[in-house]
Amino acid sequence: AQSVTQLGSHVSVSEGALVLLRCNYSSSVPPYLFWYVQYPNQGLQLLLKYTTGATLVKGINGFEAEFKKSETSFHLTKPSAHMSDAAEYFCAVTFMFSGGYNKLIFGAGTRLAVHP
Amino acid sequence: SQTIHQWPATLVQPVGSPLSLECTVEGTSNPNLYWYRQAAGRGLQLLFYSVGIGQISSEVPQNLSASRPQDRQFILSSKKLLLSDSGFYLCAWGDRGDQPQHFGDGTRLSIL
Repeated sequence: AQSVTQLGSHVSVSEGALVLLRCNYSSSVPPYLFWYVQYPNQGLQLLLKYTTGATLVKGINGFEAEFKKSETSFHLTKPSAHMSDAAEYFCAVTFMFSGGYNKLIFGAGTRLAVHP
Repeated sequence: SQTIHQWPATLVQPVGSPLSLECTVEGTSNPNLYWYRQAAGRGLQLLFYSVGIGQISSEVPQNLSASRPQDRQFILSSKKLLLSDSGFYLCAWGDRGDQPQHFGDGTRLSIL
């Protein structure tokens, strides 16, 4: 069965420090991978996605993630944290099912705190 | 460009009352539509998805139902709300293939 694991439900960094949010997936077929960000009482906003091609993908707000098939990982990074990055981050994986719809499987989320 | 609208933003309902949450999408045709629930401090649980008008699939048995009366309209309903129905409800749309899903701003539902 496909699943997504986000290591660390809470991560705290100093402003200006490296942000690293971890995501591992399990899948028997090639996955499509996504990172979403959620600010309080809002919906989810897409940060970046990996489908095929280049394994290092860049997203909005200075975030990037690298797909490592051998490690079944898709960790999210940002070189320098900003106060506005404080939010909850979700890793998600999808697979094509018959009938044409794609089912997103989400990790439990990681809440990022940024302190001065 | 495509947009997705959900309403209301917040809702407080007594136990046993009915529910109707609405979601509409603009700027695309025949999208896949999804309803998720997010319990406090937890991830997202897929409740329903739809690949076309009148086509609804349920992911988990529950007190809720969904309908798609028009191509870009998705409704989440209940005849009698339970305390356990409290949560943050999110509607999403997606194209087929490897494209991501796009989410509405959500509805915060509190059951008293």
